[in-house]
Amino acid sequence: GESVGLHLPTLSVQEGDNSIINCAYSNSASDYFIWYKQESGKGPQFIIDIRSNMDKRQGQRVTVLLNKTVKHLSLQIAATQPGDSAVYFCAENIRNSGNTPLVFGKGTRLSVIA
Amino acid sequence: ETGVTQSPTHLIKTRGQQVTLRCSSQSGHNTVSWYQQALGQGPQFIFQYYREEENGRGNFPPRFSGLQFPNYSSELNVNALELDDSALYLCASSLGTFANTGELFFGEGSRLTVL
Repeated sequence: GESVGLHLPTLSVQEGDNSIINCAYSNSASDYFIWYKQESGKGPQFIIDIRSNMDKRQGQRVTVLLNKTVKHLSLQIAATQPGDSAVYFCAENIRNSGNTPLVFGKGTRLSVIA
Repeated sequence: ETGVTQSPTHLIKTRGQQVTLRCSSQSGHNTVSWYQQALGQGPQFIFQYYREEENGRGNFPPRFSGLQFPNYSSELNVNALELDDSALYLCASSLGTFANTGELFFGEGSRLTVL
């Protein structure tokens, strides 16, 4: 498969450890946030979302934390597995005011060491 | 699998040529968004189509145009290709527009190389 990003920030994690991927978003008016996972040669895949009226949301093995004060979003992956190796993007938009598109961040490559 | 299919998967064009990329949305989805993803970057919004009308556009020149058909499938057309148009073009379908929808379902993209 083709690489989706050659010069992205990279996080290397030992299999079984927890991963934390960070994202600084740009628009203080954004009220909806999504994390996507993109494997080589594939399109982005939805992982988890969170609205601005929450500061934490949990899914299966994943947790998203939102800090609106500093415009920071993080994705925590518990017990990281080799299949988690991919590029992770945060995306933001404004749901309560018009039809603004999803704006994606630059991405972070997660590399899981077996 | 998201149910969103794109064609072709790979293609090579030369500067000045025109290209048409196609997308079939997931069954039941009435909205298609197109994104351009350059190597090492996040996807950049090109435009969205809802009920066969353009419903929002990003910072792309008019030589990027699109269509949506009654069956909700969509085309992205790029005229007068430039080297910087080389990228992965992603189509995403959804039920509803950005203002009122949940997740976007992405296809696997069309990789365009302009020589």
